Amino acid sequence: GAGVSQSPSNKVTEKGKDVELRCDPISGHTALYWYRQRLGQGLEFLIYFQGNSAPDKSGLPSDRFSAERTGESVSTLTIQRTQQEDSAVYLCASSFRATNTGELFFGEGSRLTVL
Amino acid sequence: GQNIDQPTEMTATEGAIVQINCTYQTSGFNGLFWYQQHAGEAPTFLSYNVLDGLEEKGRFSSFLSRSKGYSYLLLKELQMKDSASYLCAVRDSNYQLIWGAGTKLIIKP
Repeated sequence: GAGVSQSPSNKVTEKGKDVELRCDPISGHTALYWYRQRLGQGLEFLIYFQGNSAPDKSGLPSDRFSAERTGESVSTLTIQRTQQEDSAVYLCASSFRATNTGELFFGEGSRLTVL
Repeated sequence: GQNIDQPTEMTATEGAIVQINCTYQTSGFNGLFWYQQHAGEAPTFLSYNVLDGLEEKGRFSSFLSRSKGYSYLLLKELQMKDSASYLCAVRDSNYQLIWGAGTKLIIKP
């Protein structure tokens, strides 16, 4: 597609349920990032994929969070046993090459509300 | 640790000029970015500096001093649509982006 696509755009779930968020990056972009943004706050790094290299998972806040990416295509972020503090907008971004200017292109985000 | 500092909020008048500062302490440096984020929307790229000096792009300019760990974003001829958050981010030696918390810019008529 022309831009980074994320789904769902909005998700309301009950505490304790699992959720899966999807990101479809721009075709050809080898780098893919997941960020979390709480209301009125900055971007919190979660995980980074670069090509076929091992992902940088250093930002994942707990073992309830995991992410996968198949090659250089779609990525899914899974949050297990959701908690109210997981409520936030989850932003996905992709870039052509992490070692170039590395301009990030962001999706519109998935707004997660945990009741 | 790694740290990016920028003011939380600034207010300016339509038609005026505003400068948003960003100071950083990171493990290495491989470029500094400014992004604009309107409320409820995704961030969009504004500028990239990797060498010292001023980069001008229309009404927006970005300045970098690597020796001082300092950058600023200059917005001229402010318009109401410039009301947004402005995010400063630095790419460190591992090519990871370190983000500031953002500066909320309020434009008044």
